[in-house]
Order: sequence, then C-alpha cells, then structure tokens
Amino acid sequence: EPEVTQTPSHQVTQMGQEVILRCVPISNHLYFYWYRQILGQKVEFLVSFYNNEISEKSEIFDDQFSVERPDGSNFTLKIRSTKLEDSAMYFCASSENIQYFGAGTRLSVL
Amino acid sequence: RKEVEQDPGPFNVPEGATVAFNCTYSNSASQSFFWYRQDCRKEPKLLMSVYSSGNEDGRFTAQLNRASQYISLLIRDSKLSDSATYLCVVNKVGGFKTIFGAGTRLFVKA
Repeated sequence: EPEVTQTPSHQVTQMGQEVILRCVPISNHLYFYWYRQILGQKVEFLVSFYNNEISEKSEIFDDQFSVERPDGSNFTLKIRSTKLEDSAMYFCASSENIQYFGAGTRLSVL
Repeated sequence: RKEVEQDPGPFNVPEGATVAFNCTYSNSASQSFFWYRQDCRKEPKLLMSVYSSGNEDGRFTAQLNRASQYISLLIRDSKLSDSATYLCVVNKVGGFKTIFGAGTRLFVKA
C-alpha cells in the first residue's frame, strides 16, 4: 500500500538553528500539506501546496516557515531560526481527495 | 466559537458498548467532512468520510446534518482496539484548508 514517508523521525536542534523536514508524498497525489501537533494539543493546519505553489496557509505559517517541492518526489518544510515553542510533531499529508498522513517528524528545540 | 468543536471526553466504556461522538462546525460553507482516529503519538488515520445521506462501515456509522452543522460517529460493539482519539475533520470550500477538532479520547475496557 502506498504511503507518505517522512524523514527524519526525530530531529533535535538548538534554538535559532534552521531545520528542514522532508516528506515523500504518495506518487500520484497532487495536493500536499503540512500540519503541526504540539504534545497534548490538537492537529493544526500549517499550509497546503498545489501546482507548485502555496494554495492556503494558516496564521501559524509566518515568515519563519517555507515549503518547497525541489524535485518530483520530495516536499519539504523549512523552519528558520527555530524557537522553543516550535517543538512539536510535524505531519505531512498528501491527497487526491482523501488525505493520507506520514508518521511524522518529532522536532525538539533545545 | 471554535471552528470545529468536539465532545471533550474522555469516554470510558466496557467492551461491547455503543458509543457516540458529536462534532459541530462553525463555517456553513464547509465542504467535506471526515472522522480520523489517532493512536498515541501516531499519525491521524482516516476512519471514514461523512455524507449527508449517512454512511456505515461495519460497526461504524457516520452522519452529517448540514442544517445543524453537526457531525456524528457511532461505534457499536466496542472493541479494546477501538481505544484511540477520534478526530472530527472539516475541509473548507476549495478543500485546501483542513480544520481538526481537538479530538475525543475513547478508552474501551475489558
């Protein structure tokens, strides 16, 4: 069964550093998403991406964040100058109509 | 008012019980609706889509009432493996922004 793959599974970084979270969506999907889930809290929409551009973003997705589809398979989330409060699980999803989620990357900012 | 609101839970039920989850959404223009389940520290996984006509998948029945902006999920004959957090998910028109409810935790006990 096709699946969304995310790497790394756990990323530890120092406050102020940049991180790149990587996702390989399901191959025939056209819509891509990033979500964040702070421990014990709900899943929060960050951004959606279609046709090589951002289609919608939330108020969380400020200038600190960017997304890119650098080639035909990867979809990345870059977080610049990480803050302690960026510590969370980050989920990537892809869809034709139903969203399928990757296993997530746990980001720990120290 | 929250965009998607769910019963706060947790629900503690014995095996074999029937349990119902409720969800309301604030944006009347919302287009598509889903129930996902999330196990502890795992990614959300689609349980079922929700339609106005109602839909059933084995022990699970989902219902949408657009007039009341209300979504429900009924689980019959609960199993231990049903223990999880159940997430009500709403896509706004266009489908590019997805809003998750905070989830309702279910514990099924032997």
